[in-house]
Amino acid sequence: DTEVTQTPKHLVMGMTNKKSLKCEQHMGHRAMYWYKQKAKKPPELMFVYSYEKLSINESVPSRFSPECPNSSLLNLHLHALQPEDSALYLCASKQLERSGNTIYFGEGSWLTVV
Amino acid sequence: AQKVTQAQTEISVVEKEDVTLDCVYETRDTTYYLFWYKQPPSGELVFLIRRNSFDEQNEISGRYSWNFQKSTSSFNFTITASQVVDSAVYFCALRLLYNQGGKLIFGQGTELSVKP
Repeated sequence: DTEVTQTPKHLVMGMTNKKSLKCEQHMGHRAMYWYKQKAKKPPELMFVYSYEKLSINESVPSRFSPECPNSSLLNLHLHALQPEDSALYLCASKQLERSGNTIYFGEGSWLTVV
Repeated sequence: AQKVTQAQTEISVVEKEDVTLDCVYETRDTTYYLFWYKQPPSGELVFLIRRNSFDEQNEISGRYSWNFQKSTSSFNFTITASQVVDSAVYFCALRLLYNQGGKLIFGQGTELSVKP
């Protein structure tokens, strides 16, 4: 079983809705990630948090707003999304103290924008 | 520039056959890490193996084995006596040592279908 937990598993939202995806890990990892994955494609990096600070934003539209309230939690706030934003959103985490450590992924949140 | 190529988009085998998934990578860095992940239909990316660029030892874990060859920039994955539960999309990925944030560079994935 994964030690990165994501909720909800499935989310359907309208284009005017505001919703959030949540991610939690208790492995003591200080790097956390959001990836977006479209069907039949590899995951694409969206955001990286290191020590609870945003370190990488891969030019993601502002309708996606990440938040890292503490070292165990990572949220992705969604507002005014488009149907093309429908995808699998994967959260991941990694140790920071040693290089080369593995990035562990959660089960993902399947998002449908209608 | 860094790149990972998985030339096989889809592979279909019958149960108990052996199957090899190919992965070729490109980087000018001398220190890097290679990974294989499995993604079943449920969506989770399951970590299978990590290999450091300075360690060319091949590895076997049960029915799984990995062949890392720096001379050909390849990191191939073999499943022996495949089973239906092996059906999934498999991703090969590269991460550089001196890489901001630990970004993974994924191949396009190989969809493996194991039929009973």
